[in-house]
Amino acid sequence: AQSVSQHNHHVILSEAASLELGCNYSYGGTVNLFWYVQYPGQHLQLLLKYFSGDPLVKGIKGFEAEFIKSKFSFNLRKPSVQWSDTAEYFCAVNPNSGYSTLTFGKGTMLLVSP
Amino acid sequence: DTGVSQDPRHKITKRGQNVTFRCDPISEHNRLYWYRQTLGQGPEFLTYFQNEAQLEKSRLLSDRFSAERPKGSFSTLEIQRTEQGDSAMYLCASSPRPTAPSTDTQYFGPGTRLTVL
Repeated sequence: AQSVSQHNHHVILSEAASLELGCNYSYGGTVNLFWYVQYPGQHLQLLLKYFSGDPLVKGIKGFEAEFIKSKFSFNLRKPSVQWSDTAEYFCAVNPNSGYSTLTFGKGTMLLVSP
Repeated sequence: DTGVSQDPRHKITKRGQNVTFRCDPISEHNRLYWYRQTLGQGPEFLTYFQNEAQLEKSRLLSDRFSAERPKGSFSTLEIQRTEQGDSAMYLCASSPRPTAPSTDTQYFGPGTRLTVL
């Protein structure tokens, strides 16, 4: 069965600091990869996704992620975080075939201090 | 707002009672998913529909859980004889017919928070 691992459960940064959230998955085949964000009091929102092609994908609000197939990783980055980026971030994967069910990591809670 | 909607947003019930949650997907989305999220965990897949057909239900947590999507539009998730361990956030997501194979993108609703006393 596939699984997703997010290395950091809590991250605290100051505004303008750079962000990198780790995500590794275990699945032997081709996968689709996603990052979702949940702002306080809001529902899960899609931040960015990777299906194929350029392994560096850009999402909303200045976020980007890089798919490194050899490392089974899909790390999320942002060069300069803002207080409004305070949220919980979830990495998710589904196999690029068959069912479309998502397997999520446990999430990383990011707190950005002003 | 034309996003996924869920009703109720909160439900408090006593152990042993039955509960039913409703999900209305984004208009014209033919796929609908149910997930459960407990504290400190990411969402966990439960079941999924394509139109009115339930294509995967083996991940429903027990036979007390059932879901329907009778007309291929809204869906209901029922939990019978609730237990305290059923307390969680129940999330619904929908996705449109993909434009290319295996490019499904799911959009989530606000969830229904269930508390079983």
